[in-house]
Amino acid sequence: EPEVTQTPSHQVTQMGQEVILRCVPISNHLYFYWYRQILGQKVEFLVSFYNNEISEKSEIFDDQFSVERPDGSNFTLKIRSTKLEDSAMYFCASKFRTGDSGNTIYFGEGSWLTVV
Amino acid sequence: AQTVTQSQPEMSVQEAETVTLSCTYDTSESDYYLFWYKQPPSRQMILVIRQEAYKQQNATENRFSVNFQKAAKSFSLKISDSQLGDAAMYFCAYRIPNTGFQKLVFGTGTRLLVSP
Repeated sequence: EPEVTQTPSHQVTQMGQEVILRCVPISNHLYFYWYRQILGQKVEFLVSFYNNEISEKSEIFDDQFSVERPDGSNFTLKIRSTKLEDSAMYFCASKFRTGDSGNTIYFGEGSWLTVV
Repeated sequence: AQTVTQSQPEMSVQEAETVTLSCTYDTSESDYYLFWYKQPPSRQMILVIRQEAYKQQNATENRFSVNFQKAAKSFSLKISDSQLGDAAMYFCAYRIPNTGFQKLVFGTGTRLLVSP
């Protein structure tokens, strides 16, 4: 069964450093998402991406964050200057275009970011 | 704004028994999707079951079934013949369909403990 893959699974970084989290969505999917989950809290939406542009973002997704689809397969989340409060599990997700299967969002296994 | 509420922070069940996890939501929409996701200790978000609001029939997936009460805005998950591998966090989520970009809104989760 096709799946969303994420790298790295765990990254430790120093405060102020730039971090890039990578994702390979399911190949025929067209909508891409990043969510995050701070330890012990619920999963929160960060951003959605379609047709090479951001379609929706939350208040969490400030100027420190950016997303990119540099080629036909990867989808990245960049945090420009990490803060302690950025420590969280970051989930990439993707969705097909439309139809019955287009209404389910599939998640990757997550990238655990620890900022020290 | 749409909200999802899971009032049970933790539930316990014995192997082979049945357990029901509660979820209520608030929306002014008439057409939407509801999901239950499972998050085991590995932290991956795994889709358990999906319900379309326009369908009166409750969704079932093997040992997992839902009790969808649209008027009451209730969407509970029933796990039959519980297994040790069912132990995880369970998140209820809501999404508006057919709008492409719309995000999932998650509840705070219910931790399910399964004892032998």
